[in-house]
Amino acid sequence: DTGVSQDPRHKITKRGQNVTFRCDPISEHNRLYWYRQTLGQGPEFLTYFQNEAQLEKSRLLSDRFSAERPKGSFSTLEIQRTEQGDSAMYLCASSSFGTWKKETQYFGPGTRLLVL
Amino acid sequence: DAKTTQPPSMDCAEGRAANLPCNHSTISGNEYVYWYRQIHSQGPQYIIHGLKNNETNEMASLIITEDRKSSTLILPHATLRDTAVYYCIVNYGQNFVFGPGTRLSVLP
Repeated sequence: DTGVSQDPRHKITKRGQNVTFRCDPISEHNRLYWYRQTLGQGPEFLTYFQNEAQLEKSRLLSDRFSAERPKGSFSTLEIQRTEQGDSAMYLCASSSFGTWKKETQYFGPGTRLLVL
Repeated sequence: DAKTTQPPSMDCAEGRAANLPCNHSTISGNEYVYWYRQIHSQGPQYIIHGLKNNETNEMASLIITEDRKSSTLILPHATLRDTAVYYCIVNYGQNFVFGPGTRLSVLP
């Protein structure tokens, strides 16, 4: 399978705990995005990387959230001191960004987080 | 805010064509129109995209009006597995801004 993969697929944690999610993009895709989706809503942008550089962060990304893409390949999203409001599906997408800015993003299956 | 408006829901009979409209009246000249769909509890699935010409692939056809202010996604022979939320997005090399989409129900 050469698509975007995410791990874990499901995570249940207690309020106040830290969690970390991993995303493996499609090989050679230079852009990687993180989105969050709550029930009944469309995905909302959190942050994105071009290669290893984090180029944009949404105001949704509070200080408790941190994302990395250290070698320009896989990425991790960490949430510290989780709150019940963090319960959501966390989606990763990757794309090959080129000159014409035509950018088809391919999404992974998501990590569903439940904070008790 | 999303730059597109879509009807919240639509029904379609199995085997018939599903025509999903999208308004993007503020689209700029270099923005592409993308369509994705999301089946319950899965990540969004890419369907098709276009700039100004009509496009067709194995999944669907995309019809963009000449003034580019609206488009229609056509699923030529809808099946029960096409039941999903369909998102129309306009984009020029940025993060996607999703609206609430159209919930398409394909009925037997």
